[in-house]
Amino acid sequence: AQSVAQPEDQVNVAEGNPLTVKCTYSVSGNPYLFWYVQYPNRGLQFLLKYITGDNLVKGSYGFEAEFNKSQTSFHLKKPSALVSDSALYFCAGEITGGGNKLTFGTGTQLKVEL
Amino acid sequence: GAVVSQHPSWVICKSGTSVKIECRSLDFQATTMFWYRQFPKQSLMLMATSNEGSKATYEQGVEKDKFLINHASLTLSTLTVTSAHPEDSSFYICSARRLAGSYEQYFGPGTRLTVT
Repeated sequence: AQSVAQPEDQVNVAEGNPLTVKCTYSVSGNPYLFWYVQYPNRGLQFLLKYITGDNLVKGSYGFEAEFNKSQTSFHLKKPSALVSDSALYFCAGEITGGGNKLTFGTGTQLKVEL
Repeated sequence: GAVVSQHPSWVICKSGTSVKIECRSLDFQATTMFWYRQFPKQSLMLMATSNEGSKATYEQGVEKDKFLINHASLTLSTLTVTSAHPEDSSFYICSARRLAGSYEQYFGPGTRLTVT
């Protein structure tokens, strides 16, 4: 069965420090991978996607993610965290030929402190 | 671009009544819309996939007679929760996929349903 895993429920980081939010996937075929961010009582905002091509994907608000096929990972990164980055982050995957359906990870709460 | 709206943003209803939630793509056409349910501090659970002009495809375990989905046009899908019960209280989020082009789904702001 296809799945997306986010092993950390919460990540704490100091403002100005680099941040990493982890995501691994378990799928057959070529995965399309996405990162979304959710603020309290709001819908999800698209950050970035990996479809094909360069393994390093750059997205909104200074975020980037690296697709690593050998490690089946798609970790979200930012060189310098901001307090305003504090939110709930979801990794999601879509399988080619999977009917356009997304499978979401369980989410990681990012807290950036001064 | 790629804005999706939902209406209402929150609703309180009594047990046994029905509630309709609208999902609109404001600046693009969407052949496919998706309905999700999110419980507090949990991930999104896909309820159904809605294609314009055809019947929705429901995920396993989702009652299609309880959660009625209509996708009447390329910019509007509705979810009606029929005979609502307190356990239906949740955050309902829709998303829309462009008619053509990129692969990402664009999400609405969500609707908070409380059934008393």
